[in-house]
Amino acid sequence: KQEVTQIPAALSVPEGENLVLNCSFTDSAIYNLQWFRQDPGKGLTSLLLIQSSQREQTSGRLNASLDKSSGRSTLYIAASQPGDSATYLCAVVQLGNKLVFGAGTILRVKS
Amino acid sequence: GAVVSQHPSWVICKSGTSVKIECRSLDFQATTMFWYRQFPKQSLMLMATSNEGSKATYEQGVEKDKFLINHASLTLSTLTVTSAHPEDSSFYICSARGGYSSYNEQFFGPGTRLTVL
Repeated sequence: KQEVTQIPAALSVPEGENLVLNCSFTDSAIYNLQWFRQDPGKGLTSLLLIQSSQREQTSGRLNASLDKSSGRSTLYIAASQPGDSATYLCAVVQLGNKLVFGAGTILRVKS
Repeated sequence: GAVVSQHPSWVICKSGTSVKIECRSLDFQATTMFWYRQFPKQSLMLMATSNEGSKATYEQGVEKDKFLINHASLTLSTLTVTSAHPEDSSFYICSARGGYSSYNEQFFGPGTRLTVL
């Protein structure tokens, strides 16, 4: 059974700092990996999707990497801003096209 | 593009009543829709997968007679929580795949907050 773990569970940083969120998964047989953002009481916003054949994806200040063989992904956020404060979820797509989510990292960026 | 809506955004109901939640793909045809629930401070758990015109496939531990899913058209799926009880209070989120969905990407709705008194 696929298990997705995110570390740290919570993170508080000052504005402007670069930060890394970690995601690991137990079964490397995935189709792709996706990072989402969720604001309190809201739905999910897709940030980046990395295909299983790719190593990384970039969008603005965000960069996500994928090491499928070791079952790891990182989300790098450059020059963090208070507006980046949210919960970040990592999810893998596996057999049957099902998404398996991690528990998330709660990020707070202090101004 | 690839917008998914949910209605209502929140609902409060009495114990024992049934509640219907709608999930619509606004600008694409969704061949597959997914329903998730999320308890406070926890992640999303897949409840069921529905394909247009066929019966939904439920995840282990999800009661299909309690959570009725209908995917009658390529743009609409409904989740009905029957005889709701306080333990059914949760945040329900749907997602849809099809049309724009390259690489099996799912597009998520904004969620529905259900509170059962």
